[in-house]
Amino acid sequence: DAGITQSPRHKVTETGTPVTLRCHQTENHRYMYWYRQDPGHGLRLIHYSYGVKDTDKGEVSDGYSVSRSKTEDFLLTLESATSSQTSVYFCAISKQNTEAFFGQGTRLTVV
Amino acid sequence: DAKTTQPTSMDCAEGRAANLPCNHSTISGNEYVYWYRQIHSQGPQYIIHGLKNNETNEMASLIITEDRKSSTLILPHATLRDTAVYYCIVRSNNAGNMLTFGGGTRLMVKP
Repeated sequence: DAGITQSPRHKVTETGTPVTLRCHQTENHRYMYWYRQDPGHGLRLIHYSYGVKDTDKGEVSDGYSVSRSKTEDFLLTLESATSSQTSVYFCAISKQNTEAFFGQGTRLTVV
Repeated sequence: DAKTTQPTSMDCAEGRAANLPCNHSTISGNEYVYWYRQIHSQGPQYIIHGLKNNETNEMASLIITEDRKSSTLILPHATLRDTAVYYCIVRSNNAGNMLTFGGGTRLMVKP
Protein backbone atom coordinates (compact mmCIF):
# COMPACT_ATOMS: atom_id res chain seq x y z
CA ASP A 1 0.00 0.00 0.00
CA ALA A 2 2.62 2.51 -1.12
CA GLY A 3 4.34 2.69 2.26
CA ILE A 4 1.53 4.31 4.18
CA THR A 5 0.29 3.05 7.53
CA GLN A 6 -2.59 4.28 9.63
CA SER A 7 -2.93 3.54 13.33
CA PRO A 8 -4.99 2.48 15.04
CA ARG A 9 -7.17 0.69 12.47
CA HIS A 10 -10.15 0.61 14.81
CA LYS A 11 -10.96 2.64 17.90
CA VAL A 12 -13.92 3.11 20.18
CA THR A 13 -13.81 6.10 22.46
CA GLU A 14 -16.13 8.02 24.72
CA THR A 15 -17.59 11.43 24.04
CA GLY A 16 -15.38 14.20 25.35
CA THR A 17 -12.11 12.28 25.31
CA PRO A 18 -9.14 13.30 23.16
CA VAL A 19 -8.17 11.02 20.30
CA THR A 20 -5.11 11.03 18.07
CA LEU A 21 -4.87 9.16 14.80
CA ARG A 22 -1.51 8.60 13.20
CA CYS A 23 -0.50 8.42 9.56
CA HIS A 24 3.01 7.21 8.86
CA GLN A 25 4.70 7.10 5.45
CA THR A 26 7.97 5.66 4.24
CA GLU A 27 7.88 7.36 0.81
CA ASN A 28 9.23 10.79 1.78
CA HIS A 29 6.28 12.43 -0.01
CA ARG A 30 5.78 16.12 0.58
CA TYR A 31 1.98 16.20 0.80
CA MET A 32 -0.17 14.41 3.35
CA TYR A 33 -3.92 14.56 3.78
CA TRP A 34 -6.63 13.51 6.20
CA TYR A 35 -10.10 12.69 4.89
CA ARG A 36 -13.22 11.41 6.53
CA GLN A 37 -15.85 9.28 4.86
CA ASP A 38 -19.44 9.04 5.99
CA PRO A 39 -22.44 7.38 4.32
CA GLY A 40 -24.02 9.81 1.89
CA HIS A 41 -21.10 12.24 1.95
CA GLY A 42 -18.24 10.51 0.21
CA LEU A 43 -14.70 11.54 1.17
CA ARG A 44 -14.23 15.01 2.58
CA LEU A 45 -10.92 16.71 3.27
CA ILE A 46 -10.24 17.61 6.90
CA HIS A 47 -6.69 18.99 6.86
CA TYR A 48 -3.64 18.67 4.70
CA SER A 49 0.08 19.32 4.96
CA TYR A 50 2.51 20.53 2.33
CA GLY A 51 5.64 20.12 4.40
CA VAL A 52 6.99 19.84 7.93
CA LYS A 53 5.07 22.26 10.15
CA ASP A 54 3.09 23.47 7.10
CA THR A 55 -0.58 22.60 7.34
CA ASP A 56 -3.88 24.02 6.17
CA LYS A 57 -7.58 23.46 6.66
CA GLY A 58 -9.82 21.48 4.40
CA GLU A 59 -13.56 21.41 3.92
CA VAL A 60 -14.50 19.96 7.33
CA SER A 61 -11.78 21.06 9.75
CA ASP A 62 -13.91 22.16 12.73
CA GLY A 63 -13.17 20.04 15.78
CA TYR A 64 -9.90 18.70 14.38
CA SER A 65 -6.27 19.73 14.64
CA VAL A 66 -3.18 18.32 12.95
CA SER A 67 0.53 18.32 13.40
CA ARG A 68 3.45 17.37 11.23
CA SER A 69 6.73 17.61 13.09
CA LYS A 70 8.58 15.31 10.68
CA THR A 71 8.09 14.33 7.07
CA GLU A 72 6.92 10.81 7.75
CA ASP A 73 4.20 11.45 10.33
CA PHE A 74 0.92 13.36 10.12
CA LEU A 75 -1.21 13.32 13.23
CA LEU A 76 -4.92 14.07 13.41
CA THR A 77 -6.27 15.03 16.83
CA LEU A 78 -9.83 15.27 18.02
CA GLU A 79 -9.47 17.42 21.13
CA SER A 80 -12.83 16.40 22.54
CA ALA A 81 -14.49 13.67 20.52
CA THR A 82 -18.18 13.96 19.66
CA SER A 83 -20.59 11.41 18.20
CA SER A 84 -20.65 13.39 14.94
CA GLN A 85 -16.99 12.49 14.50
CA THR A 86 -17.80 8.79 14.26
CA SER A 87 -16.49 8.03 10.81
CA VAL A 88 -13.87 6.26 8.74
CA TYR A 89 -10.71 8.32 8.44
CA PHE A 90 -8.33 7.98 5.52
CA CYS A 91 -4.84 9.36 5.20
CA ALA A 92 -3.27 10.00 1.81
CA ILE A 93 0.19 10.98 0.57
CA SER A 94 1.45 12.42 -2.68
CA LYS A 95 4.29 14.21 -4.36
CA GLN A 96 3.73 17.43 -6.31
CA ASN A 97 1.47 16.88 -9.30
CA THR A 98 1.35 13.10 -9.05
CA GLU A 99 -1.17 10.56 -7.90
CA ALA A 100 -2.06 10.27 -4.24
CA PHE A 101 -1.97 6.99 -2.36
CA PHE A 102 -4.40 6.20 0.40
CA GLY A 103 -4.08 4.23 3.59
CA GLN A 104 -6.47 1.48 4.61
CA GLY A 105 -8.45 3.70 6.94
CA THR A 106 -9.20 4.04 10.63
CA ARG A 107 -12.70 3.27 11.81
CA LEU A 108 -13.49 5.54 14.76
CA THR A 109 -16.60 5.15 16.88
CA VAL A 110 -17.46 7.77 19.48
CA VAL A 111 -20.00 6.54 22.03
CA ASP B 1 -11.17 23.07 -8.49
CA ALA B 2 -13.62 22.17 -11.26
CA LYS B 3 -16.58 20.02 -10.36
CA THR B 4 -17.36 16.73 -12.06
CA THR B 5 -20.62 15.00 -12.93
CA GLN B 6 -20.89 11.23 -13.08
CA PRO B 7 -23.81 8.81 -13.32
CA THR B 8 -24.77 7.45 -9.93
CA SER B 9 -24.62 3.82 -10.98
CA MET B 10 -23.90 1.54 -13.92
CA ASP B 11 -23.99 -2.16 -14.66
CA CYS B 12 -21.59 -4.11 -16.85
CA ALA B 13 -21.45 -7.76 -17.88
CA GLU B 14 -18.36 -9.67 -16.84
CA GLY B 15 -15.80 -9.82 -19.65
CA ARG B 16 -17.24 -6.82 -21.45
CA ALA B 17 -15.75 -3.33 -21.54
CA ALA B 18 -16.96 -0.91 -18.90
CA ASN B 19 -17.15 2.69 -20.09
CA LEU B 20 -17.54 5.19 -17.29
CA PRO B 21 -18.29 8.78 -18.37
CA CYS B 22 -17.44 11.99 -16.57
CA ASN B 23 -18.32 15.58 -17.36
CA HIS B 24 -16.00 18.38 -16.25
CA SER B 25 -17.13 21.30 -18.35
CA THR B 26 -15.47 23.96 -16.16
CA ILE B 27 -12.02 22.39 -16.19
CA SER B 28 -9.18 24.87 -16.59
CA GLY B 29 -6.00 24.53 -18.59
CA ASN B 30 -3.69 23.30 -15.84
CA GLU B 31 -6.10 20.84 -14.25
CA TYR B 32 -5.64 17.11 -14.61
CA VAL B 33 -8.34 14.46 -14.72
CA TYR B 34 -7.79 11.70 -12.17
CA TRP B 35 -9.68 8.46 -11.68
CA TYR B 36 -9.81 6.50 -8.46
CA ARG B 37 -11.89 3.59 -7.31
CA GLN B 38 -12.95 2.37 -3.92
CA ILE B 39 -13.71 -1.27 -3.39
CA HIS B 40 -16.04 -1.89 -0.49
CA SER B 41 -14.64 0.05 2.48
CA GLN B 42 -10.99 0.02 1.47
CA GLY B 43 -8.95 3.16 0.83
CA PRO B 44 -9.37 4.71 -2.63
CA GLN B 45 -7.09 3.21 -5.26
CA TYR B 46 -5.46 5.28 -7.98
CA ILE B 47 -6.30 4.13 -11.52
CA ILE B 48 -5.07 6.64 -14.07
CA HIS B 49 -4.78 10.36 -14.83
CA GLY B 50 -4.29 12.62 -17.81
CA LEU B 51 -4.11 16.23 -18.94
CA LYS B 52 -5.26 16.23 -22.56
CA ASN B 53 -3.88 13.18 -24.29
CA ASN B 54 -5.43 9.76 -24.01
CA GLU B 55 -3.68 7.52 -21.53
CA THR B 56 -3.46 3.78 -21.02
CA ASN B 57 -1.96 1.65 -18.30
CA GLU B 58 -2.32 -1.91 -17.11
CA MET B 59 -5.61 -1.16 -15.38
CA ALA B 60 -7.53 1.07 -17.76
CA SER B 61 -7.63 3.60 -20.57
CA LEU B 62 -8.58 7.24 -20.22
CA ILE B 63 -10.11 9.06 -23.16
CA ILE B 64 -10.30 12.87 -22.84
CA THR B 65 -12.27 14.85 -25.41
CA GLU B 66 -10.44 17.47 -27.41
CA ASP B 67 -12.17 20.33 -25.58
CA ARG B 68 -11.35 18.57 -22.28
CA LYS B 69 -14.90 19.01 -21.04
CA SER B 70 -15.50 15.31 -20.60
CA SER B 71 -13.66 12.03 -20.29
CA THR B 72 -14.31 8.30 -20.27
CA LEU B 73 -12.61 5.65 -18.21
CA ILE B 74 -12.51 2.30 -19.98
CA LEU B 75 -11.98 -1.00 -18.22
CA PRO B 76 -11.41 -3.24 -21.26
CA HIS B 77 -12.48 -6.58 -19.78
CA ALA B 78 -14.40 -6.04 -16.58
CA THR B 79 -14.25 -8.71 -13.89
CA LEU B 80 -16.32 -9.19 -10.75
CA ARG B 81 -13.42 -7.70 -8.78
CA ASP B 82 -13.91 -4.41 -10.65
CA THR B 83 -17.18 -3.86 -8.80
CA ALA B 84 -16.51 -0.60 -6.95
CA VAL B 85 -17.29 3.08 -6.74
CA TYR B 86 -15.34 5.00 -9.38
CA TYR B 87 -14.44 8.63 -8.80
CA CYS B 88 -13.57 11.13 -11.49
CA ILE B 89 -11.66 14.06 -9.99
CA VAL B 90 -10.27 17.22 -11.48
CA ARG B 91 -7.13 18.28 -9.67
CA SER B 92 -5.29 21.57 -9.94
CA ASN B 93 -1.57 22.07 -9.62
CA ASN B 94 -1.79 24.75 -6.98
CA ALA B 95 -0.44 24.46 -3.47
CA GLY B 96 -2.05 21.59 -1.68
CA ASN B 97 -2.74 19.40 -4.68
CA MET B 98 -5.75 18.07 -2.84
CA LEU B 99 -8.30 15.73 -4.35
CA THR B 100 -11.94 16.77 -4.05
CA PHE B 101 -14.21 13.75 -4.23
CA GLY B 102 -17.75 13.80 -5.57
CA GLY B 103 -20.29 11.01 -5.35
CA GLY B 104 -18.72 8.75 -7.96
CA THR B 105 -20.27 6.00 -10.07
CA ARG B 106 -21.14 2.69 -8.45
CA LEU B 107 -20.17 0.09 -11.05
CA MET B 108 -21.69 -3.33 -10.64
CA VAL B 109 -20.09 -6.06 -12.75
CA LYS B 110 -22.49 -8.94 -13.18
CA PRO B 111 -21.76 -12.56 -14.18
